[in-house]
Amino acid sequence: DTAVSQTPKYLVTQMGNDKSIKCEQNLGHDTMYWYKQDSKKFLKIMFSYNNKELIINETVPNRFSPKSPDKAHLNLHINSLELGDSAVYFCASSQDRGFRGYTFGSGTRLTVV
Amino acid sequence: GQSLEQPSEVTAVEGAIVQINCTYQTSGFYGLSWYQQHDGGAPTFLSYNALDGLEETGRFSSFLSRSDSYGYLLLQELQMKDSASYFCAVGNQAGTALIFGKGTTLSVSS
Repeated sequence: DTAVSQTPKYLVTQMGNDKSIKCEQNLGHDTMYWYKQDSKKFLKIMFSYNNKELIINETVPNRFSPKSPDKAHLNLHINSLELGDSAVYFCASSQDRGFRGYTFGSGTRLTVV
Repeated sequence: GQSLEQPSEVTAVEGAIVQINCTYQTSGFYGLSWYQQHDGGAPTFLSYNALDGLEETGRFSSFLSRSDSYGYLLLQELQMKDSASYFCAVGNQAGTALIFGKGTTLSVSS
């Protein structure tokens, strides 16, 4: 049973399209995150939700909108995709602040052409 | 704000010991964490130090000195499968998310 699952694993789309990435965790954690990893492997926090409440909204273009229908799910919707959005997006979850360990999903490799 | 510095690359041979250093600047300290990421894979949690000293988990150990804002990950009896990227991480100012270093790519050769 996968602890944090993301779909899709790969996403190739054209500029200007709108796409969504889904994330679900079955660990009972109360905090979920979206991270973006660029081609240089730099992991950057985008959003954090605690019990469906937005905690962190880093300087991310407002074309990115997270949605958490319940504490086990955190989806990421991206409007008007741009070439620079190409990256690997990781969902993660933790119990409380999670300093004793985040559990990451397997990632979604987004390629915008 | 938060910043972390770690070497970009380290190379070693099988059976050797390697140390990956991390220095950090942070306005609020919640501990130092380490993650491993293989190519094409997800980051996986290795260790967490909240207090000064050495924490050992099998072949891996992690050290923290809060007065020096410094820590390291020590990998012993290196194996080919240890070839991966290693990230140190600290909590952001509010303690609500991890900020990661840029990662150290470890290459283990036979």
